[in-house]
Amino acid sequence: AQSVSQHNHHVILSEAASLELGCNYSYGGTVNLFWYVQYPGQHLQLLLKYFSGDPLVKGIKGFEAEFIKSKFSFNLRKPSVQWSDTAEYFCAVIAYGSSNTGKLIFGQGTTLQVKP
Amino acid sequence: NAGVTQTPKFRVLKTGQSMTLLCAQDMNHEYMYWYRQDPGMGLRLIHYSVGEGTTAKGEVPDGYNVSRLKKQNFLLGLESAAPSQTSVYFCASKASGVHEQYFGPGTRLTVT
Repeated sequence: AQSVSQHNHHVILSEAASLELGCNYSYGGTVNLFWYVQYPGQHLQLLLKYFSGDPLVKGIKGFEAEFIKSKFSFNLRKPSVQWSDTAEYFCAVIAYGSSNTGKLIFGQGTTLQVKP
Repeated sequence: NAGVTQTPKFRVLKTGQSMTLLCAQDMNHEYMYWYRQDPGMGLRLIHYSVGEGTTAKGEVPDGYNVSRLKKQNFLLGLESAAPSQTSVYFCASKASGVHEQYFGPGTRLTVT
């Protein structure tokens, strides 16, 4: 079955440190990839998405992600984190054959804690 | 413009009780989804709807039923709640032709 794997379950960083969160997906065909963020007590918000074209995509709040097809990866990065980036981050992919229904498959999530 | 709203925000049920969670969206979206979020498991799709009057099973549909009688509403029902259904439930919607889903604030359900 198609799956999304996030290797880091809990990451603790100090402010100004660089961030990279890993995401790997299992399907080898055309994929549409997303990173969502859930701030404490809030609902999920879209950070960025990749459908095609430039494999380096930029999102909101200084986040970016790089799609590497050969590695089935879509890692999230930020050069310098802030305390306000403390949140849970989810990688997701549109399920194979679901471009019409938009069904998403989510990774397990990574909790990021940024210490001031 | 409220986006996606969910009612209630919190609920505690006893095993065997029933309840309905309401999701409403004011964006005229065709597609609506119900997910459950459990620690270490991300979000898993329960049921979804591609339009008014249609519903389909997702990844974890057992123990849940849904209805989409009106385009703006998507109801999730638990006929006989079980402790395994303790979770945070999120509703989402999206427009036809785009992939971004918009999420509601969630409902935290505890079944004792």
